[in-house]
Amino acid sequence: EAGVTQSPTHLIKTRGQQATLRCSPISGHTSVYWYQQALGLGLQFLLWYDEGEERNRGNFPPRFSGRQFPNYSSELNVNALELEDSALYLCASSLEAGLYTEAFFGQGTRLTVV
Amino acid sequence: SQQGEEDPQALSIQEGENATMNCSYKTSINNLQWYRQNSGRGLVHLILIRSNEREKHSGRLRVTLDTSKKSSSLLITASRAADTASYFCATDEDNYGQNFVFGPGTRLSVLP
Repeated sequence: EAGVTQSPTHLIKTRGQQATLRCSPISGHTSVYWYQQALGLGLQFLLWYDEGEERNRGNFPPRFSGRQFPNYSSELNVNALELEDSALYLCASSLEAGLYTEAFFGQGTRLTVV
Repeated sequence: SQQGEEDPQALSIQEGENATMNCSYKTSINNLQWYRQNSGRGLVHLILIRSNEREKHSGRLRVTLDTSKKSSSLLITASRAADTASYFCATDEDNYGQNFVFGPGTRLSVLP
Protein backbone atom coordinates (compact mmCIF):
# COMPACT_ATOMS: atom_id res chain seq x y z
CA GLU A 1 0.00 0.00 0.00
CA ALA A 2 1.38 3.39 -0.99
CA GLY A 3 2.06 5.84 1.80
CA VAL A 4 1.44 9.56 1.85
CA THR A 5 3.12 11.13 -1.15
CA GLN A 6 4.13 14.74 -1.51
CA SER A 7 5.33 16.70 -4.50
CA PRO A 8 7.58 18.27 -5.35
CA THR A 9 10.37 17.05 -3.11
CA HIS A 10 12.19 20.35 -3.39
CA LEU A 11 10.94 23.76 -4.46
CA ILE A 12 12.91 26.96 -4.89
CA LYS A 13 11.04 30.24 -5.19
CA THR A 14 11.90 33.89 -4.99
CA ARG A 15 10.43 36.26 -2.46
CA GLY A 16 6.98 37.48 -3.44
CA GLN A 17 6.14 34.47 -5.61
CA GLN A 18 3.53 31.81 -4.90
CA ALA A 19 4.23 28.19 -4.06
CA THR A 20 1.90 25.23 -4.49
CA LEU A 21 2.59 22.01 -2.63
CA ARG A 22 0.66 18.81 -3.21
CA CYS A 23 -0.22 15.84 -1.07
CA SER A 24 -1.84 12.50 -1.82
CA PRO A 25 -3.11 10.71 1.27
CA ILE A 26 -3.08 6.99 1.88
CA SER A 27 -5.91 5.35 0.00
CA GLY A 28 -9.06 5.46 2.09
CA HIS A 29 -7.86 8.28 4.33
CA THR A 30 -10.16 11.28 4.36
CA SER A 31 -8.29 13.63 6.69
CA VAL A 32 -5.23 15.56 5.58
CA TYR A 33 -3.02 17.73 7.78
CA TRP A 34 -0.32 20.19 6.86
CA TYR A 35 2.62 21.12 9.09
CA GLN A 36 5.54 23.48 8.77
CA GLN A 37 8.92 22.57 10.18
CA ALA A 38 11.36 25.43 10.03
CA LEU A 39 15.05 24.67 10.48
CA GLY A 40 15.80 23.74 14.07
CA LEU A 41 12.19 24.07 15.16
CA GLY A 42 9.41 21.62 15.91
CA LEU A 43 6.42 20.99 13.75
CA GLN A 44 3.85 23.74 13.61
CA PHE A 45 0.29 22.85 12.69
CA LEU A 46 -0.96 24.66 9.60
CA LEU A 47 -4.23 23.23 8.32
CA TRP A 48 -6.56 20.27 8.68
CA TYR A 49 -8.93 19.15 5.95
CA ASP A 50 -11.55 16.47 6.24
CA GLU A 51 -14.13 15.43 3.67
CA GLY A 52 -13.22 18.40 1.50
CA GLU A 53 -13.64 21.05 4.15
CA GLU A 54 -11.19 23.03 6.24
CA ARG A 55 -11.74 21.90 9.82
CA ASN A 56 -9.06 23.76 11.67
CA ARG A 57 -6.28 26.21 11.09
CA GLY A 58 -3.07 26.97 12.92
CA ASN A 59 -1.64 30.35 13.79
CA PHE A 60 -0.50 31.33 10.30
CA PRO A 61 -1.36 34.36 8.16
CA PRO A 62 -4.07 34.13 5.48
CA ARG A 63 -1.49 33.90 2.72
CA PHE A 64 -1.21 30.26 3.76
CA SER A 65 -4.22 28.51 2.29
CA GLY A 66 -5.19 25.22 0.80
CA ARG A 67 -7.93 22.95 -0.30
CA GLN A 68 -8.90 19.30 -0.43
CA PHE A 69 -10.17 17.73 -3.60
CA PRO A 70 -12.97 15.15 -4.00
CA ASN A 71 -10.34 12.38 -4.16
CA TYR A 72 -9.03 13.64 -0.78
CA SER A 73 -5.73 14.86 -2.16
CA SER A 74 -4.76 18.31 -1.01
CA GLU A 75 -2.90 21.42 -2.02
CA LEU A 76 -1.14 23.94 0.17
CA ASN A 77 -0.69 27.38 -1.35
CA VAL A 78 1.61 30.01 0.04
CA ASN A 79 1.24 33.46 -1.49
CA ALA A 80 3.60 36.42 -1.33
CA LEU A 81 6.46 34.22 -0.19
CA GLU A 82 8.78 35.54 2.49
CA LEU A 83 12.28 34.34 3.31
CA GLU A 84 11.08 32.91 6.64
CA ASP A 85 8.67 30.63 4.79
CA SER A 86 11.68 28.47 3.95
CA ALA A 87 10.97 25.19 5.69
CA LEU A 88 10.07 21.55 5.33
CA TYR A 89 6.34 21.20 4.77
CA LEU A 90 4.91 17.91 5.89
CA CYS A 91 1.57 16.43 5.00
CA ALA A 92 -0.10 13.70 7.00
CA SER A 93 -3.27 11.70 6.54
CA SER A 94 -5.50 9.70 8.82
CA LEU A 95 -8.30 7.25 8.24
CA GLU A 96 -10.93 9.49 9.73
CA ALA A 97 -11.31 12.46 11.98
CA GLY A 98 -11.66 10.81 15.35
CA LEU A 99 -10.17 10.65 18.76
CA TYR A 100 -7.86 7.69 18.29
CA THR A 101 -6.72 7.97 14.74
CA GLU A 102 -3.08 7.62 13.83
CA ALA A 103 -1.61 10.10 11.41
CA PHE A 104 0.89 8.99 8.77
CA PHE A 105 3.34 11.45 7.28
CA GLY A 106 4.83 11.96 3.86
CA GLN A 107 8.49 12.73 3.23
CA GLY A 108 7.83 16.43 2.89
CA THR A 109 8.47 19.25 0.46
CA ARG A 110 11.48 21.40 1.20
CA LEU A 111 10.63 24.95 0.19
CA THR A 112 13.47 27.40 -0.16
CA VAL A 113 12.69 31.07 -0.64
CA VAL A 114 15.54 33.18 -1.97
CA SER B 1 2.87 27.26 23.62
CA GLN B 2 3.91 23.77 22.70
CA GLN B 3 1.63 21.06 24.02
CA GLY B 4 4.27 18.35 23.98
CA GLU B 5 7.71 19.08 25.33
CA GLU B 6 10.38 16.43 24.95
CA ASP B 7 13.21 16.00 27.35
CA PRO B 8 16.16 15.90 26.95
CA GLN B 9 16.70 18.02 23.86
CA ALA B 10 19.70 15.90 22.87
CA LEU B 11 20.95 12.51 23.99
CA SER B 12 24.12 10.63 23.05
CA ILE B 13 24.58 6.99 23.96
CA GLN B 14 26.68 4.00 22.92
CA GLU B 15 25.29 1.19 20.80
CA GLY B 16 23.66 -1.43 22.99
CA GLU B 17 22.62 1.00 25.69
CA ASN B 18 19.04 1.96 26.41
CA ALA B 19 17.71 5.40 25.54
CA THR B 20 14.90 7.07 27.45
CA MET B 21 13.11 10.16 26.24
CA ASN B 22 10.35 11.97 28.07
CA CYS B 23 7.43 14.07 26.96
CA SER B 24 5.29 16.37 29.06
CA TYR B 25 2.06 18.02 28.07
CA LYS B 26 -0.26 20.57 29.58
CA THR B 27 -3.90 19.81 28.85
CA SER B 28 -5.92 16.62 28.85
CA ILE B 29 -5.47 14.35 25.87
CA ASN B 30 -7.18 11.47 24.14
CA ASN B 31 -4.01 9.94 22.80
CA LEU B 32 -0.29 10.52 22.51
CA GLN B 33 1.89 9.44 19.61
CA TRP B 34 5.62 9.06 19.20
CA TYR B 35 7.34 9.68 15.87
CA ARG B 36 10.87 9.40 14.51
CA GLN B 37 12.40 11.72 11.96
CA ASN B 38 15.66 11.08 10.15
CA SER B 39 17.64 14.16 9.08
CA GLY B 40 14.80 16.50 8.15
CA ARG B 41 12.81 13.89 6.26
CA GLY B 42 9.25 12.74 6.87
CA LEU B 43 8.07 11.40 10.17
CA VAL B 44 7.69 7.72 10.88
CA HIS B 45 4.90 6.75 13.21
CA LEU B 46 6.16 4.60 16.09
CA ILE B 47 3.42 4.11 18.65
CA LEU B 48 0.05 5.53 19.64
CA ILE B 49 -0.98 5.19 23.26
CA ARG B 50 -4.47 6.06 24.39
CA SER B 51 -5.31 8.00 27.52
CA ASN B 52 -6.73 4.88 29.18
CA GLU B 53 -3.55 2.89 28.54
CA ARG B 54 -0.48 2.93 30.75
CA GLU B 55 2.08 1.04 28.71
CA LYS B 56 2.58 -0.26 25.18
CA HIS B 57 5.33 -2.25 23.55
CA SER B 58 6.49 -2.53 19.97
CA GLY B 59 9.68 -4.48 19.36
CA ARG B 60 12.48 -2.64 21.13
CA LEU B 61 10.20 0.27 21.97
CA ARG B 62 8.31 0.72 25.21
CA VAL B 63 6.03 3.68 25.80
CA THR B 64 4.47 4.61 29.11
CA LEU B 65 1.82 7.19 29.84
CA ASP B 66 1.09 8.80 33.19
CA THR B 67 -1.96 11.01 32.79
CA SER B 68 -1.79 12.15 36.42
CA LYS B 69 1.64 13.65 35.72
CA LYS B 70 0.78 14.54 32.13
CA SER B 71 3.88 12.80 30.90
CA SER B 72 5.01 9.97 28.67
CA SER B 73 8.29 8.21 28.15
CA LEU B 74 9.77 6.38 25.19
CA LEU B 75 12.33 3.70 25.94
CA ILE B 76 14.48 2.23 23.17
CA THR B 77 16.30 -0.86 24.35
CA ALA B 78 19.55 -2.22 22.95
CA SER B 79 19.99 0.83 20.76
CA ARG B 80 21.59 0.67 17.32
CA ALA B 81 23.35 3.26 15.22
CA ALA B 82 20.30 3.21 12.92
CA ASP B 83 18.21 4.55 15.81
CA THR B 84 19.99 7.89 15.43
CA ALA B 85 17.19 10.36 14.68
CA SER B 86 14.97 12.99 16.22
CA TYR B 87 12.05 11.70 18.25
CA PHE B 88 8.85 13.67 18.69
CA CYS B 89 5.80 13.20 20.81
CA ALA B 90 2.49 14.49 19.55
CA THR B 91 -0.73 14.99 21.45
CA ASP B 92 -4.23 15.73 20.33
CA GLU B 93 -6.29 18.49 21.86
CA ASP B 94 -9.26 17.51 23.97
CA ASN B 95 -11.78 18.62 21.40
CA TYR B 96 -12.58 17.99 17.79
CA GLY B 97 -9.65 20.10 16.67
CA GLN B 98 -7.64 17.05 15.71
CA ASN B 99 -4.52 19.09 15.14
CA PHE B 100 -1.72 17.03 16.55
CA VAL B 101 0.60 19.22 18.57
CA PHE B 102 4.27 18.36 18.45
CA GLY B 103 7.07 19.16 20.82
CA PRO B 104 10.51 20.30 19.64
CA GLY B 105 11.85 16.76 19.74
CA THR B 106 14.79 14.90 21.24
CA ARG B 107 17.83 14.43 19.05
CA LEU B 108 19.21 10.94 19.74
CA SER B 109 22.72 10.01 18.63
CA VAL B 110 23.74 6.38 18.96
CA LEU B 111 27.47 6.01 18.65
CA PRO B 112 28.98 2.78 17.28
